[in-house]
Amino acid sequence: QVVLTQSPSASASLGASVKLTCTLNSGHTIYAIAWHQQQPEKGPRFLMRVNSDGSHSKGDGIPDRFSGSSSGADRYLTISSLQSEDEADYYCQTWGTGFWVFGGGTRVTVL
Amino acid sequence: VQLVESGGGLVQPGGSLRLSCGASGFTLSTYDMHWVRQGPGKGLEWVSLMGIVGDTDYLDSVKGRFTVSRDNAKNSLFLQMNSLRAGDTAVYYCARDGHPFDIWGRGTMVIVSP
Repeated sequence: QVVLTQSPSASASLGASVKLTCTLNSGHTIYAIAWHQQQPEKGPRFLMRVNSDGSHSKGDGIPDRFSGSSSGADRYLTISSLQSEDEADYYCQTWGTGFWVFGGGTRVTVL
Repeated sequence: VQLVESGGGLVQPGGSLRLSCGASGFTLSTYDMHWVRQGPGKGLEWVSLMGIVGDTDYLDSVKGRFTVSRDNAKNSLFLQMNSLRAGDTAVYYCARDGHPFDIWGRGTMVIVSP
């Protein structure tokens, strides 16, 4: 069974950078994941897919300041030049034959 | 490319609701489609699959109570929810599976309460 672990919260100042982590459990460290953003009172929005080799592919219209990377069991989302509208919940997701799993989400606060 | 959910509302425990998800800008039947829910103050939880070939799958806690279906002519996805429980209270989203989920709707709220 695949489990995704995320820190509950992160914060950084306006204009700074923040790096979020999504960790795959043992035995499943080769899985690709997706990052989704959920702004307050809105539905989720697909940001990007991050593969185990660190390559990533972004959704339509996602700004360049969002990037993805990978190391071992960890998949990362880095947001550079933080803006007020980046204050949101960020969920990672993975999938396979017969399963679709979400992490618990990380709430990002822009100080 | 857009998904729009409707059909949510307030229902008593044991009642039923039918959610709809209308697609525009793409042909819904050419993708696996999912329902995902989010309870109050909680994270995202996968609920059901409608596969391209008509295969379906469900979260264990809704098996036997929820049924997903599709109307190709209307380019729409549906979720029939019966025997609703308080624990089913959530915003329900439909999502297109572009491996991963790449298009989401805005959601429709379901409240199960006496």
